[in-house]
Parts: sequence; C-alpha cells; structure tokens
Amino acid sequence: VVVTQSPLSLPVTLGQPASISCRSSQSLVYSDGNTYLNWFQQRPGQSPRRLIYQVSKRDSGVPDRFSGSGSGTDFTLNVTRVEADDVGVYFCMQGRLWPYTFGQGTKLEIK
Amino acid sequence: EVQLVESGGGLVQPGGSLRLSCAASGFTFSSYHMSWVRQAPGKGLEWVSGISRGGDGTYYPDSVKGRFTISRDNSQNTLYLQMSSLRAEDTALYYCAKGGLEHTRSGPDCWGQGTLVAVSS
Repeated sequence: VVVTQSPLSLPVTLGQPASISCRSSQSLVYSDGNTYLNWFQQRPGQSPRRLIYQVSKRDSGVPDRFSGSGSGTDFTLNVTRVEADDVGVYFCMQGRLWPYTFGQGTKLEIK
Repeated sequence: EVQLVESGGGLVQPGGSLRLSCAASGFTFSSYHMSWVRQAPGKGLEWVSGISRGGDGTYYPDSVKGRFTISRDNSQNTLYLQMSSLRAEDTALYYCAKGGLEHTRSGPDCWGQGTLVAVSS
C-alpha cells in the first residue's frame, strides 16, 4: 500500500492552524471494521512519537490541538494553533496490509 | 515507565553481519507484539520486521526477507534483529518499537532511541 502525504513542507505562523493530508492507494478499512491509519510526530533529533491511531484516537498526553479525521483512503491531521513545540516531521502510517508503510513525511516549520 | 534500549549497532562491511538487541522494561514484554523500524539518514521510516507475542509469527518486507531475522527472549525481556548479507542501503538508525496486545496495526506506541548501523567498506 502506497501512502502519499502532502504537502512535504509546511511553513506555519505561530498560532495559526495547520493541516496535513495523507492518501492511500487502497482502502485502510480492515476486516475487523477498524481503519488503520496512524500519525506520528518526530521532533528534531528525537525518536518518532505516536499522536493519533485508528484515524482519530489521540494518544495519552497529546494536546487536543491535534486531531485526525478521514475515511477510506483520504485522511487529515489538523493542528488548530501551531506552537513552537510542534516543529518537526509528521508521518502517517497504514496498518491495513503488511508491510505496513509510512508516508514520506511532512516537515512543519515556523514561518 | 516504558523503556526500550537498543544496542549492537556499528560499522560493518558490505556482506557482513550484525546482531541488534533491544532491552525492554516497564511493561509485560511477553504480552506485546514488537517490531524493528529503520530510518536512513535524512529519510523516512521503513518497517523492517515484526514479531508476535510468543515469537511464532514473524514478518518481513521483501527488502530484507531472507537476510534479516527477528526473534525475542521473553524470559530476558529482549528483542533481537540478526542482520546478514548487509548492503549499503541498509545503513540507517534502527528503532525498536512496541506494538499492541493483539497486533501492531495501530502503530508503535513506544520507540527506543535507536542504534545506528553503517554499512561501508
């Protein structure tokens, strides 16, 4: 399954919203009824951290400024008000078919 | 606190072998699926292998199948990755990653700090 993110670079003004798109080459709805599209944040020099799993479920400790939405093959990660701490690369990942695959990554930077 | 600490990386010649280890703590290791995910310098993430809770199910992408072997020792809370016939394109930071109780479809919820593997003559 090919997972394609856009944009690859996202300059955002502090306090403004940001949106990242992720599209898959196949539906990510699994036979158990769940949709396995997940989002990760990788801050500079750090390991990845999961933010969102199964499209819209936020991990513990993740600010509610982050939200995920979408269905089937089209998904979005939204950040309502970008803070300096949000700088990094964001990856979507599909868990529908093995090998699980990641998008190319979107680099969020402060304008 | 969940912790994953990788070790075993280093510089190896093309065609050589290396064994990575991941020491897990802070959770019931034997209850969770585990994986290895790598990241080439300045590049994206690539799933390298996955293993079921008991170790009886293992998964590899075509890029490493037949060359890499994932295993685990639940009595020692340790995950391994045996890598052989290494190529320049295997150069990457290798992360140990914790999956879920039933599978890893929802992505790893915890990652180690990574161990660097460099394949070069």
